[in-house]
Amino acid sequence: AQRVTQPEKLLSVFKGAPVELKCNYSYSGSPELFWYVQYSRQRLQLLLRHISRESIKGFTADLNKGETSFHLKKPFAQEEDSAMYYCALSGRGYSSASKIIFGSGTRLSIRP
Amino acid sequence: DTGVSQDPRHKITKRGQNVTFRCDPISEHNRLYWYRQTLGQGPEFLTYFQNEAQLEKSRLLSDRFSAERPKGSFSTLEIQRTEQGDSAMYLCASSPGTLGNEQFFGPGTRLTVL
Repeated sequence: AQRVTQPEKLLSVFKGAPVELKCNYSYSGSPELFWYVQYSRQRLQLLLRHISRESIKGFTADLNKGETSFHLKKPFAQEEDSAMYYCALSGRGYSSASKIIFGSGTRLSIRP
Repeated sequence: DTGVSQDPRHKITKRGQNVTFRCDPISEHNRLYWYRQTLGQGPEFLTYFQNEAQLEKSRLLSDRFSAERPKGSFSTLEIQRTEQGDSAMYLCASSPGTLGNEQFFGPGTRLTVL
């Protein structure tokens, strides 16, 4: 079955502390993994994707195929990071890149 | 604003009524997607179009739901004989269809069925 699991509904950390949002997936084949973010009163937007291997707003995520994980990390949390974060996957390639399967989301709250 | 737009943003209806939502994708994006999001859950895929062709439909899309994209530009999602369980946020997204599948989301239409 194709599935994305985010075990934490809510994660609350202090400003300046490290952040790790967990994500595990189940997919037959080689998926493309994403993290989407939704800030308060804004639309869902792409934060980063594993094929880019880049850091966005200080966040990074490494695809671990052995553990089927794609955890999102940031070494020093900032108040503006407070938002809803969704881990997601889709098939790779033009023909299979259709629907995105989302996890249930983790609300990240940064305390001052 | 050149992003994905959706209309209306909010819709309140009585059980049994029909509703129709519209999505305008980003210009020249040939792929358009509909998702549904209920409280505490991530978006769930409903259906997707490549140009005017509807290529995939989720089992979530019952016979009461129909989507169209007649000219390969805007799309409509109609729900007939609404039920309280249809209350949700309906999200539209579009993508250019190139490798990578980045989807750009609209603000959503929040449906409340009384």
